[in-house]
Amino acid sequence: AQSVSQHNHHVILSEAASLELGCNYSYGGTVNLFWYVQYPGQHLQLLLKYFSGDPLVKGIKGFEAEFIKSKFSFNLRKPSVQWSDTAEYFCAVNTGTASKLTFGTGTRLQVTL
Amino acid sequence: SQTIHQWPATLVQPVGSPLSLECTVEGTSNPNLYWYRQAAGRGLQLLFYSVGIGQISSEVPQNLSASRPQDRQFILSSKKLLLSDSGFYLCAWSIGTGGNQPQHFGDGTRLSIL
Repeated sequence: AQSVSQHNHHVILSEAASLELGCNYSYGGTVNLFWYVQYPGQHLQLLLKYFSGDPLVKGIKGFEAEFIKSKFSFNLRKPSVQWSDTAEYFCAVNTGTASKLTFGTGTRLQVTL
Repeated sequence: SQTIHQWPATLVQPVGSPLSLECTVEGTSNPNLYWYRQAAGRGLQLLFYSVGIGQISSEVPQNLSASRPQDRQFILSSKKLLLSDSGFYLCAWSIGTGGNQPQHFGDGTRLSIL
């Protein structure tokens, strides 16, 4: 069965710092990859997704992620974080089976002023 | 546009009592429906999913069950709650079968078992 690893459980950054959150998955076949964000008190929202084409995908609010097939990774990046980016971020993988998603354990990002 | 409703938002139940959490989707037909449990530090665990009325797949053995009596209604139930059933439960929907469509989540129900 596939699994998703997010090694950074809690990240604290100052505003304007650059962000990279790691996501690795274990599955040898075709994958669809997602990043979701959960702002405090809000529901999970889609940040960006990859399923084919350009491995560098851009999402909302200046986020981007790069799919590196050889490394089984889909890291999330943002050049300059804002205080409003404080949230929990989840990486998820779908292997095409009934649209089921396997989620990572999440990374809590705290951005300080 | 499509919307998803979950209720109640919070629920406190005694051990051994029954449970019924409801989720409805509006604005789409024949969605895939999902129940997740979110635990701190453990991400989201898929409990059940459904690709059509009366079709339920269980992902993990547990004290809970799910039903889909109507196309856009998904219910999470238990006959007798355990302390370990405490958690945050999320309903989600998606369309299609290819796996490249995102899931859309409800606001969740926080369930506390006393």
